[in-house]
Amino acid sequence: QKEVEQDPGPLSVPEGAIVSLNCTYSNSAFQYFMWYRQYSRKGPELLMYTYSSGNKEDGRFTAQVDKSSKYISLFIRDSQPSDSATYLCAMSGSTLGRLYFGRGTQLTVWP
Amino acid sequence: DGGITQSPKYLFRKEGQNVTLSCEQNLNHDAMYWYRQDPGQGLRLIYYSQIVNDFQKGDIAEGYSVSREKKESFPLTVTSAQKNPTAFYLCASSGQGRDEAFFGQGTRLTVV
Repeated sequence: QKEVEQDPGPLSVPEGAIVSLNCTYSNSAFQYFMWYRQYSRKGPELLMYTYSSGNKEDGRFTAQVDKSSKYISLFIRDSQPSDSATYLCAMSGSTLGRLYFGRGTQLTVWP
Repeated sequence: DGGITQSPKYLFRKEGQNVTLSCEQNLNHDAMYWYRQDPGQGLRLIYYSQIVNDFQKGDIAEGYSVSREKKESFPLTVTSAQKNPTAFYLCASSGQGRDEAFFGQGTRLTVV
């Protein structure tokens, strides 16, 4: 079993839709959770960062962490064509240790 | 501006050659990482370093080597022992106390 599981999609939605992206993990020691957005042929950029359980909101983006279920989510409200990218979840158990990534979900938002 | 710089952006290697990919950061981050990304796959960890003069193998270290002589630099050498080196290589760094990793813009390596 992989440390982090993420459905690769692809996911295609109309502009304005609410998008839900998810990852599950197996290591209960993970306590740092990140979502990255990666445009084609570019390096990933940090979108959301959450420590431990709970919700975090930033504009149209909401990150949720449920440590009891080992499940994290990213919600995108009022999705835009510019949100079309690959979204990667990442997590770690320590401040400087390695990060574990999901495979990424490819999202297309069509006008 | 603070950030991570990878160079070159594109690199071509002949069979049997070693090549070195550069990664420099001015964020004063302690940890640095090298990942490989292949089409349709996630990021796979090659090597990482949490402190100067120390580094650990990741999941796919065979055929690669690194050094960490300075805090701001973490070069990756792709050796001739790496049988399938064509890929997108990403360098990242992370600071003390916060486990965010910031990425460079990547180097695309092609074997010709």
